[in-house]
Amino acid sequence: QSALTQPPSASGSPGQSVTISCTGTSSDVGGYNYISWYQQHPGKAPKLMIYEVSTRPSGVPDRFSGSKSGNTASLTVSGLQAEDEADYYCSSYAGSNNYYVFGTGTQVTVL
Amino acid sequence: QITLKESGPTLVKPTQTLTLTCTFSGFSLSESGVGVGWFRQPPGKALEWLALIYWAGDKGYSPSLKRRLTITKDTSENQVVLTMTNMDPVDTATYYCAHRRCGGGSCYHTFDYWGQGTLVTVTS
Repeated sequence: QSALTQPPSASGSPGQSVTISCTGTSSDVGGYNYISWYQQHPGKAPKLMIYEVSTRPSGVPDRFSGSKSGNTASLTVSGLQAEDEADYYCSSYAGSNNYYVFGTGTQVTVL
Repeated sequence: QITLKESGPTLVKPTQTLTLTCTFSGFSLSESGVGVGWFRQPPGKALEWLALIYWAGDKGYSPSLKRRLTITKDTSENQVVLTMTNMDPVDTATYYCAHRRCGGGSCYHTFDYWGQGTLVTVTS
């Protein structure tokens, strides 16, 4: 059970877009369309932003979008805003043993 | 409105057993598909999934921690309890519980409501 690989950091100016990758294997990311993305501000609990690769819960701005190709999932934040500055974690369901694997996390900075 | 709150000791000694309780409201663990998971996050590090329990009593554990973890539920008290044996300083982390997302007659492999977390420090 290895963590999914994310870039440690990403940045963009207000209004720009940033894309975060999340690379796993055929046993997790590539094997299931059960990819989630969480946003976490310092000292706060994670917040669900995307699930099932590209579905946004109600209340999440449509600036957040998700996709997947093979063993790599991606989160794109368009029209960056100051409040988007946070850590982002991907997560994938990884099989009938009922377990989940998380990514290494990406710190997004709004310049 | 769904809420969850973790409770338990803030300090434990090495080799001791940690017992954490997740008390929730706004849903019932007797409803089909519902589940509650436990997660942790060491200071400055990534999230890690620990365990999950479903409404029917099915359980899942992180393979790397399986031999140390036990998850149980008390449906009448709206609580889920996680025990972790043989605590070590590397287990110092904020521990979270979270609700498995369900809606419109379906449940999903994701977690939509999280507790505030509780920091557990392992030190002698």
